Amino acid sequence: NAGVTQTPKFQVLKTGQSMTLQCAQDMNHEYMSWYRQDPGMGLRLIHYSVGAGITDQGEVPNGYNVSRSTTEDFPLRLLSAAPSQTSVYFCASGISSSNEQFFGPGTRLTVL
Amino acid sequence: AQSVTQPDIHITVSEGASLELRCNYSYGATPYLFWYVQSPGQGLQLLLKYFSGDTLVQGIKGFEAEFKRSQSSFNLRKPSVHWSDAAEYFCAVGGDDKIIFGKGTRLHILP
Repeated sequence: NAGVTQTPKFQVLKTGQSMTLQCAQDMNHEYMSWYRQDPGMGLRLIHYSVGAGITDQGEVPNGYNVSRSTTEDFPLRLLSAAPSQTSVYFCASGISSSNEQFFGPGTRLTVL
Repeated sequence: AQSVTQPDIHITVSEGASLELRCNYSYGATPYLFWYVQSPGQGLQLLLKYFSGDTLVQGIKGFEAEFKRSQSSFNLRKPSVHWSDAAEYFCAVGGDDKIIFGKGTRLHILP
């Protein structure tokens, strides 16, 4: 099993550009989530999904969209990148929110 | 909505000394509680979790944590730290389908 995979590993964007961070898992997990990690701020929940077709907002959803058309994939879209979105983004999956979450390797995003 | 406070941003202990990392949570119902560790440049790994039952939970790498409902705390302990324990430690609380993390405590080990 590959576990949780994220692409790309690194990305540099200009302000105003859009992009999609990809996340996929092969463990048949219903629950998936996106976090951003910033120095001194820990991990902050952006969006989460309890199953295909169901998504909800976390702590810091503004500027981000998600969709969950399949169990395996949970892409995160930046609509119009801003320097404040410079961060490391982690995708995670688990059987449910009450179970262990498995994290991807992260995507380091820089917005100029 | 749930929240987590980790009061200590940095902690330094000597190798072989005991360790306690503090975590306080806020949640109206019985929470799911987790401790994760992130080694430098790495992803997050689960150390242990509490759902119900015995309030003293054993985890991997010799760590344990104790759930104290009256204090809304879930402190992480280890009797004797090793240099390889140097990392960042995150407490997390689950409920209402969300998992909220604290800001983390960075552990430094003195030789």
